[in-house]
Amino acid sequence: KAGVTQTPRYLIKTRGQQVTLSCSPISGHRSVSWYQQTPGQGLQFLFEYFSETQRNKGNFPGRFSGRQFSNSRSEMNVSTLELGDSALYLCASSLSSGGINEQFFGPGTRLTVL
Amino acid sequence: GENVEQHPSTLSVQEGDSAVIKCTYSDSASNYFPWYKQELGKGPQLIIDIRSNVGEKKDQRIAVTLNKTAKHFSLHITETQPEDSAVYFCAASIRGTASKLTFGTGTRLQVTL
Repeated sequence: KAGVTQTPRYLIKTRGQQVTLSCSPISGHRSVSWYQQTPGQGLQFLFEYFSETQRNKGNFPGRFSGRQFSNSRSEMNVSTLELGDSALYLCASSLSSGGINEQFFGPGTRLTVL
Repeated sequence: GENVEQHPSTLSVQEGDSAVIKCTYSDSASNYFPWYKQELGKGPQLIIDIRSNVGEKKDQRIAVTLNKTAKHFSLHITETQPEDSAVYFCAASIRGTASKLTFGTGTRLQVTL
């Protein structure tokens, strides 16, 4: 069974630009969560999507947004990039939402903002 | 919201010794506690998890214990091997929001020969 895939793996952008990251969950998984990982703040929850609806949201500004498609694939978008947005963005998929479901992470997208 | 503290931040053990990593959580409504292992250049890998209705769970060389009263849980790795070297994260989620994991700050485990 294929794992969670994320594209692209690496990305370099400049301040003020916007970026879109993509995540394909494990086949059959319908919930996708996004996390930001930085050396200073560690792993922080961004948001979760299930059945094309945002179910949970972390404490990030509105510049961070996401969406989910009918095939459960998800994208996250960051607008007006800031230097502090440089991070590893991780996507995790699970079978469903709400109840306890194991989350499986992808390899991440390394975003560098210059 | 939930807050998870993790200790130690670094841990060095000799091959064959045991390693213990400890975490505490703040919200008594938390009911799911997974542990992840992250190797360089990879995403976190789920290695074991425990639910609030269980006090201990074991999977070969790895075990996790949970003390709900004290709000702390621990990861125990026995007979450590060089391939156990990685960063380990504990996490917790609150009942009803299982996909919203709050992570500890990580423990860098080094297993030396």
